[in-house]
Amino acid sequence: SQQGEEDPQALSIQEGENATMNCSYKTSINNLQWYRQNSGRGLVHLILIRSNEREKHSGRLRVTLDTSKKSSSLLITASRAADTASYFCATDATLQGAQKLVFGQGTRLTINP
Amino acid sequence: DSGVTQTPKHLITATGQRVTLRCSPRSGDLSVYWYQQSLDQGLQFLIQYYNGEERAKGNILERFSAQQFPDLHSELNLSSLELGDSALYFCASSTRGGGAVGYTFGSGTRLTVV
Repeated sequence: SQQGEEDPQALSIQEGENATMNCSYKTSINNLQWYRQNSGRGLVHLILIRSNEREKHSGRLRVTLDTSKKSSSLLITASRAADTASYFCATDATLQGAQKLVFGQGTRLTINP
Repeated sequence: DSGVTQTPKHLITATGQRVTLRCSPRSGDLSVYWYQQSLDQGLQFLIQYYNGEERAKGNILERFSAQQFPDLHSELNLSSLELGDSALYFCASSTRGGGAVGYTFGSGTRLTVV
C-alpha cells in the first residue's frame, strides 16, 4: 500500500489565493519530499524536508513536517495559473531493509484565473 | 530538460509482446529508479539500481526485468504484455544510493498495450 496519503484529492482556488495540501504517512521516515507533475509529464522535485526539520521554505513554497503526527503540509502562497498541476508527497523510508521513495496518490490543484 | 532521458516517449504494442524502455540518468548520478504510473495504482516503485547493482525492489512483476549497464544507462524490459500494463513508466536518477537528495525524473514513456 502507499506510504503517503494526500488530502485533498483535488483543490480548486482563485489565482492569488494560498493553496494548502496535506500528506500523512505510516512509518518512520528519513525525509519527505514534494513533487509537482504537470499533466502527463515527468515529476519535478520541489522541496525536501529531513526528519529532524519542522519547517522549510523555498520561494512561495512552505513545507512543514510533524513526525509525531506523521504528517506534512505544502503551502503555496500567492498562487498563479502556472501552479496548476498535481502535487505528490513522497516519503524516503527504509522499508523491508531497503531505502525507498514511496509516493502518495497526489493532490490535483487547479488555479482559476 | 531534466537531464534524465527516456526513450521512446510513446510505445504502442499488442498483448503478449515484449518491449524495452531505456533510461539515461543525469550526468554523475549513479542511482536509477523505475516507477510505473497508472490511473488506478498511482505511482508505484518498481526497482532501483545503484552503480550497476540492484539495490531495491518494489512492486515489480516477474514478467518485468531491468538492468543497469556500465555506462549507467538502464533498461526496463516488459514481456508477455497485458492490457493492464498500459501506463506511464518513469525513470529517475539521484546522486546517491538512497533518497537523501531529491530525485530527477525523466519525462516518461507512455506504454499502450492493445
